[in-house]
This record gives sequence, C-alpha cells and structure tokens, in this order.
Amino acid sequence: NAGVTQTPKFQVLKTGQSMTLQCAQDMNHNSMYWYRQDPGMGLRLIYYSASEGTTDKGEVPNGYNVSRLNKREFSLRLESAAPSQTSVYFCASDKGYGYTFGSGTRLTVV
Amino acid sequence: QQQVKQSPQSLIVQKGGISIINCAYENTAFDYFPWYQQFPGKGPALLIAIRPDVSEKKEGRFTISFNKSAKQFSLHIMDSQPGDSATYFCAASLTGGFKTIFGAGTRLFVKA
Repeated sequence: NAGVTQTPKFQVLKTGQSMTLQCAQDMNHNSMYWYRQDPGMGLRLIYYSASEGTTDKGEVPNGYNVSRLNKREFSLRLESAAPSQTSVYFCASDKGYGYTFGSGTRLTVV
Repeated sequence: QQQVKQSPQSLIVQKGGISIINCAYENTAFDYFPWYQQFPGKGPALLIAIRPDVSEKKEGRFTISFNKSAKQFSLHIMDSQPGDSATYFCAASLTGGFKTIFGAGTRLFVKA
C-alpha cells in the first residue's frame, strides 16, 4: 500500500527547460492536488483535480499545467522553468477527512 | 478572508514540556481544521483534526483546542519528546470544498 508516489525526488533544471512531475495514488481517491512549499510561505495550492477529467487553478497556477490522466495519476508540467519555480512540490490526494501527501520533489532551477 | 495565521514561526521546548502552537482564521464558513506534522525530507502527514461543533479533541499527547467565537484554534503537545521535533502546519477547509488553506508552519525543536 504505497499511498501517494511522486517522481522524481530531486531535479535540477536550467532556465527555460521543461519537465513533468509525476504523481500516482493507489487509494481510489477522487480528488488530487499539487502544492508548492517555500520557506515561511507554508503550502500553496497550484492546481487541483476534483475528479477524473477535471482540473482547476489554485492560488499560484502561473507557469504550470496539469493533466489528470486517470483516477490514479495527476501530473504537473513546467513548460519553461524559471528560477522562481525553485521549490519543493507535493502531490496529495483527499481521503475526505484530510490529505495524504507524497514525499515531495525538490526542484532547483538555475 | 482566506488566510490562516499561525504562530510562532519557531519554538524550542524542553523534553517533557508542553508545546503550544496557535492559529487564527478569518472565514467563518470553514468547518474542518486539521493539523499536519512534517519531518525533514518527508511530506506532511495528518496528525489530528477538529470540527467546530466541539471545543477540544485529544489523541494521546496531542490536543486541539478550538474557540469558535474568537476564530482561533491551537495544538498542544503534552510531555513533548525529541521525536516530536518537526514542522507543524495548521489548516482550514470547507467540507465538500477543494481548497485547504494552510498556515505558514511552526518549526518545533524539543531539547533532550
């Protein structure tokens, strides 16, 4: 029972490069989320998916896109990475009474 | 309207002491208030949660106190242990909604 799995765990990108962060959950949860965590800022919502086939913007969506591939998978794409996107990214799924988070992707954009 | 303010930013407590972290919210529509615990290099994990129809909830050494009129809630960690050293986030959300608002976090260090 893996919960929420994120890949990769670490990534270094050059400014302007693109990449996709992968997230999969095996708990049959409908709702999935992408957050970024920055020092002193807490967790800020980038995008969420209330159910398979739907996605919506969160608090800080600029520079990101998402795909809800199926009920299990929710990916986050950076089309043209910028240094301001250096952060730790967490995927989460909602069990109806709190979130289950993945272990995070630490992304550095140079 | 959507903010959750958390204090203090950091906290140092002696082993065996009581750790207290406070949060305040603005939106009176929020009806679910969880606390998450995060260890370095890990994702946050749900620790304990409360709904506004009760004033207190206790699970082991962890207690949430809730003051609906003041729009404040707090986490108390009794008999704090070095293994409790982590970052703690309070949060607020609406049942059936899809947006949870997190506080900025409190870094707790328990001295042995």
